[in-house]
Amino acid sequence: QLQLQESGPGLVKPSETLSLTCTVSGGSISSSSYYWGWIRQPPGKGLEWIGSIYYSGSTYYNPSLKSRVTISVDTSKNQFSLKLSSVTAADTAVYYCARRNSGSSVDYWGQGTLVTVSS
Amino acid sequence: SYELTQPLSVSVALGQTARITCGGNNIGSKNVHWYQQKPGQAPVLVIYRDSNRPSGIPERFSGSNSGNTATLTISRAQAGDEADYYCQVWDSSTAVFGTGTKVTVL
Repeated sequence: QLQLQESGPGLVKPSETLSLTCTVSGGSISSSSYYWGWIRQPPGKGLEWIGSIYYSGSTYYNPSLKSRVTISVDTSKNQFSLKLSSVTAADTAVYYCARRNSGSSVDYWGQGTLVTVSS
Repeated sequence: SYELTQPLSVSVALGQTARITCGGNNIGSKNVHWYQQKPGQAPVLVIYRDSNRPSGIPERFSGSNSGNTATLTISRAQAGDEADYYCQVWDSSTAVFGTGTKVTVL
């Protein structure tokens, strides 16, 4: 059974860079059938897609966040990562890592990790 | 940018049918996916590509998509169906989520 697990600091200071890693187990991140991505959800609000990456390194980002986002992949560790720079309180959210399948739906999600931006 | 509009809330009596709409410009030309999210949990895929159910999702969940509206239908609603529901499409390599609908089972 595929599992995704987010890890990283739960508290980040304003203007600093948020960094999260997603570890994939029970399957290979190098499969040609899938994209891997990040989705976030501010407290009490809806879902927002941040971006996706293919195992080869090709990336797609939400235009509204593109200038601050970097997603990378480490196939040797079966992990992919998110960096979001110059964070503000508006970036406080539960961050989910997830898998997009060939049919374009998101079929596996991590449990989510709350990141709070505060001094 | 592409937008998806959902009703804020839908109420349904136990055992009856709930319909959740997702409005978008010519959404009928896109593949629509639906997710269920219960409090404190990650979303779960309940319908993919308009009307297909993943393994383990009850037949009570069904979907349709035409014109400017996609619809998720929950038949014979149960207390366990209380959750937030989100529609989602891809537009120019960008994932777009609907505004979300809270379903209450009375």
